[in-house]
Amino acid sequence: GNSVTQMEGPVTLSEEAFLTINCTYTATGYPSLFWYVQYPGEGLQLLLKATKADDKGSNKGFEATYRKETTSFHLEKGSVQVSDSAVYFCALMVTYKYIFGTGTRLKVLA
Amino acid sequence: SAVISQKPSRDICQRGTSLTIQCQVDSQVTMMFWYRQQPGQSLTLIATANQGSEATYESGFVIDKFPISRPNLTFSTLTVSNMSPEDSSIYLCSVSYGVSSAEAFFGQGTRLTVV
Repeated sequence: GNSVTQMEGPVTLSEEAFLTINCTYTATGYPSLFWYVQYPGEGLQLLLKATKADDKGSNKGFEATYRKETTSFHLEKGSVQVSDSAVYFCALMVTYKYIFGTGTRLKVLA
Repeated sequence: SAVISQKPSRDICQRGTSLTIQCQVDSQVTMMFWYRQQPGQSLTLIATANQGSEATYESGFVIDKFPISRPNLTFSTLTVSNMSPEDSSIYLCSVSYGVSSAEAFFGQGTRLTVV
């Protein structure tokens, strides 16, 4: 079946540190891959997406590359800010249904 | 984009009662979904709300417990029936325009506590 495995949190970093949140997936067919973010007290919102192998999604300094050979979609940011503190969800979509990972809580300290 | 209004935002209910959650979208959308997010866990898809017909439920969810209506392309309701404390969770409405690789949009959620 389809599934998403995501790095467990919480992840605590100092401001300007490098961030990686690992995400791997299992899917039949060719899924689209997404990262969603949930800031404190807010709903989920799309951070970035990639629709086919080798695509790179990017937004707000975050990026992730769709790696079909390793079935991965790791989220990276070169220099995190306190305002990046949130919960990050990796997700795949196949036939319009979304499957989400368990979420990774990121806390950035000033 | 789509703006989703979900009501109520939170509620505390007695066990054995039912609660209906409403989801209103500011534009016509193809797909509407209902998710559950239990404390510290991921989002689990309950069902796909189909306009004018019965919802399509995921494994582990049944219509008697979670009846869903979708009378048009902008509105849906989810009822949590005969509630128990195990139903305490955040319930989320989500929509998409059904285009391949389309982004999903989410409501703010309904935080339900059953006592």
